[in-house]
Amino acid sequence: EVQLLESGGGLVQPGGSLRLSCAASGFTFSSYAMSWVRQASGKGLEWVSGVSDSGGYTYYADSVKGRFTISRDNSKNTVHLQMNSLRAEDTAVYYCAKGSTSLGIAEAWGQGTLVTVSS
Amino acid sequence: EIVLTQSPATLSLSPGERATLSCRASQSVRSYLAWYQHKPGQPPRLLIYDASNRATGIPARFSGSGSGTDFTLTITSLEPEDSALYYCQQRSSWPYTFGQGTELEIK
Repeated sequence: EVQLLESGGGLVQPGGSLRLSCAASGFTFSSYAMSWVRQASGKGLEWVSGVSDSGGYTYYADSVKGRFTISRDNSKNTVHLQMNSLRAEDTAVYYCAKGSTSLGIAEAWGQGTLVTVSS
Repeated sequence: EIVLTQSPATLSLSPGERATLSCRASQSVRSYLAWYQHKPGQPPRLLIYDASNRATGIPARFSGSGSGTDFTLTITSLEPEDSALYYCQQRSSWPYTFGQGTELEIK
């Protein structure tokens, strides 16, 4: 059974940093692209970032480009999202998602971790 | 950026009825469109990918169709558990984008 467990969310002041992690199990992690998708309260879904199976290709939404960095450790079956220069508008539930035959098909999701940016 | 527009915004139907949800893209996404079901307090669930392929474990009551700019998610024989928000999403070009969602209420 595929399991994705996010951690690292919490309350941070504007301008601060957080590092989200997603621990994966139940599949051959190194064979699949991974993504982070977020949902602000009362808003829709936003695909924030993605990383290829090898880690060689990364993708970012314009809203986070230059501030967020996605990375993965295939030896530890984990994917990370380093979030710097956080803004109030980054407040959201962040979901880790497993790609399918493509990065762009999120076939499994974690339960999400809440990030709150507030002073 | 490709904009996806979903209609209607809300849909209220009775058990056993058929639901038809629409998604229109601002430019062609070929067949690279997915549908997700999202219930409060749960993560989204993939229903349909590449316009018409059901994801693993999804009942045959859920079906998708369309290509280019116009897509449809059809849910037959509605059940109370189908109450949820439904999102379409394109992977034709980065940034991948979602529609704003259709809220389906089962009366």
